Amino acid sequence: DAKTTQPTSMDCAEGRAANLPCNHSTISGNEYVYWYRQIHSQGPQYIIHGLKNNETNEMASLIITEDRKSSTLILPHATLRDTAVYYCIVRHTGANSKLTFGKGITLSVRP
Amino acid sequence: NAGVTQTPKFRILKIGQSMTLQCTQDMNHNYMYWYRQDPGMGLKLIYYSVGAGITDKGEVPNGYNVSRSTTEDFPLRLELAAPSQTSVYFCASSYGTGPPDEQFFGPGTRLTVL
Repeated sequence: DAKTTQPTSMDCAEGRAANLPCNHSTISGNEYVYWYRQIHSQGPQYIIHGLKNNETNEMASLIITEDRKSSTLILPHATLRDTAVYYCIVRHTGANSKLTFGKGITLSVRP
Repeated sequence: NAGVTQTPKFRILKIGQSMTLQCTQDMNHNYMYWYRQDPGMGLKLIYYSVGAGITDKGEVPNGYNVSRSTTEDFPLRLELAAPSQTSVYFCASSYGTGPPDEQFFGPGTRLTVL
């Protein structure tokens, strides 16, 4: 699976949009971009995934560049409860495909 | 549904002791996984199972054993505990098909080996 690169940390103000970047320049055609988050001391939680089109669900939006080498997770109205570590993961969908977690990006939402 | 449950929540072991971390899921998922997470790091896959009776090694399997006799249960066995096994252990499960093949995680077991 392709490797991803994320900044170590970022912060944003409560109520504002949080834009979390991720680089995956070696992504291949059959690999998806996944985002999980881990709120302090809890197990990770799935947020969203995408292949090449932009995706939106009740939690977030995922914007993938046309060349697929980078993506941005957008939390449209960040709350204090969104403070967490966010993991960008590239994963193919073949048999026995597994999630590989890096260190992720720590998002701190300030009041 | 309870989802993925893990017991115990916390445990302190002495070097050389053994223990079993329990994991149960009630979502009828085919796939189950064990991860460990060291402080400040991401999760590393220890073992996984694609169905009852089938297990395979992940990235860091040394010092651990697993079994999968039922769809619901996937216990992780530590033999001869070592300080390097001090970590938080997460169990997860998924259908194994997708995308998204979303993995659902348990609350974790915090293990300290002294």
